[in-house]
Amino acid sequence: AQSVTQLGSHVSVSEGALVLLRCNYSSSVPPYLFWYVQYPNQGLQLLLKYTTGATLVKGINGFEAEFKKSETSFHLTKPSAHMSDAAEYFCAVSDRSNTGNQFYFGTGTSLTVIP
Amino acid sequence: NAGVTQTPKFQVLKTGQSMTLQCAQDMNHEYMSWYRQDPGMGLRLIHYSVGAGITDQGEVPNGYNVSRSTTEDFPLRLLSAAPSQTSVYFCASSPRPLMNTEAFFGQGTRLTVV
Repeated sequence: AQSVTQLGSHVSVSEGALVLLRCNYSSSVPPYLFWYVQYPNQGLQLLLKYTTGATLVKGINGFEAEFKKSETSFHLTKPSAHMSDAAEYFCAVSDRSNTGNQFYFGTGTSLTVIP
Repeated sequence: NAGVTQTPKFQVLKTGQSMTLQCAQDMNHEYMSWYRQDPGMGLRLIHYSVGAGITDQGEVPNGYNVSRSTTEDFPLRLLSAAPSQTSVYFCASSPRPLMNTEAFFGQGTRLTVV
């Protein structure tokens, strides 16, 4: 089974500062990779995903992530944090095989933006 | 645009009671799933379905039952509620079992078992 590690359960940044949320996966075969955001009392919504092609992926709200096979990583970044970015962020993966049938989620990183 | 609809949003149960959490999607998605979210543990898969009439267990299935009689609906049944089942439950759907597509989530059901 896959496993997903998100380093740092809580990250605080100042408004306007760089946001960096870390995600590493365990499999030797690169999976499909996703970042989701969860605002308070809401469900998860997709920020971005990597399936194939360019390894730098751009998502909504100015976020982007880079797939690095050699580091088994898919870190999420945003150049300048905004107050509205305060939320819980989840990295998720799924198998590339046709028999793959579930997502594996990290434990989440809570982002606080300090005015 | 309804998407994935979960009911109820909040529920308090007494230990030993049973109940059904409802989930419906209007996107004609083949794949549906139930997760529970607990602090510090992320989302853990309870059960999933790859189409009507087909269900399977996820990581934490004990104490829960599911069925999938239609493409649209995927209810989750708690057979005899326990305090350990206090959690936030999310239903999600995807267009197909091949997992390169995103999951669409409902708003969640916050369940407390006393």
